[in-house]
Amino acid sequence: GQQLNQSPQSMFIQEGEDVSMNCTSSSIFNTWLWYKQDPGEGPVLLIALYKAGELTSNGRLTAQFGITRKDSFLNISASIPSDVGIYFCAGHPSYGNKLVFGAGTILRVKS
Amino acid sequence: AAGVIQSPRHLIKEKRETATLKCYPIPRHDTVYWYQQGPGQDPQFLISFYEKMQSDKGSIPDRFSAQQFSDYHSELNMSSLELGDSALYFCASSTRQDTNYGYTFGSGTRLTVV
Repeated sequence: GQQLNQSPQSMFIQEGEDVSMNCTSSSIFNTWLWYKQDPGEGPVLLIALYKAGELTSNGRLTAQFGITRKDSFLNISASIPSDVGIYFCAGHPSYGNKLVFGAGTILRVKS
Repeated sequence: AAGVIQSPRHLIKEKRETATLKCYPIPRHDTVYWYQQGPGQDPQFLISFYEKMQSDKGSIPDRFSAQQFSDYHSELNMSSLELGDSALYFCASSTRQDTNYGYTFGSGTRLTVV
């Protein structure tokens, strides 16, 4: 079943606005990853987080690994049209080895 | 840089037919993962292989089987196809030698069962 709760489910924002999305879990995760998926393509890794409290940036993207190891957020600053897509959080739970995904956040940007 | 290669990109099969999907991981990656993504869904883990041995199993139907070969490529075999098997199938690879556990995904195979 779904182990990661990702929100919001979708966003429709104005170009230039900042975006924030997050994932929470009732279980502890060892890593948190954020992916972007374009239609018909595979997910592309944006940011990977490995330590509780870690804050990492990749251009206009910033993500943090929650201190409790049960949550993470992704911020996108000054959104542009090419930011459109589906953003997935994913993580390795403290048990097992497989990567589990959140349900995704659909981002639409109007210019 | 080399990426994960999947073939075919698109596949149309009829019910009860069989299908074989192929995945070529990034060179020197020792682990391969298969995911199934239905329309509007998040990727669901099917199965993984580490050094040619099955390492983890998810929600993979008994009608499906997979293996990793000596050259590390992997194949997902799907038999007695059902309409509900229509989905995007992704392969991802990683290496345990790298502390970066961010899997690299292929572009996927879109399977349509008619």
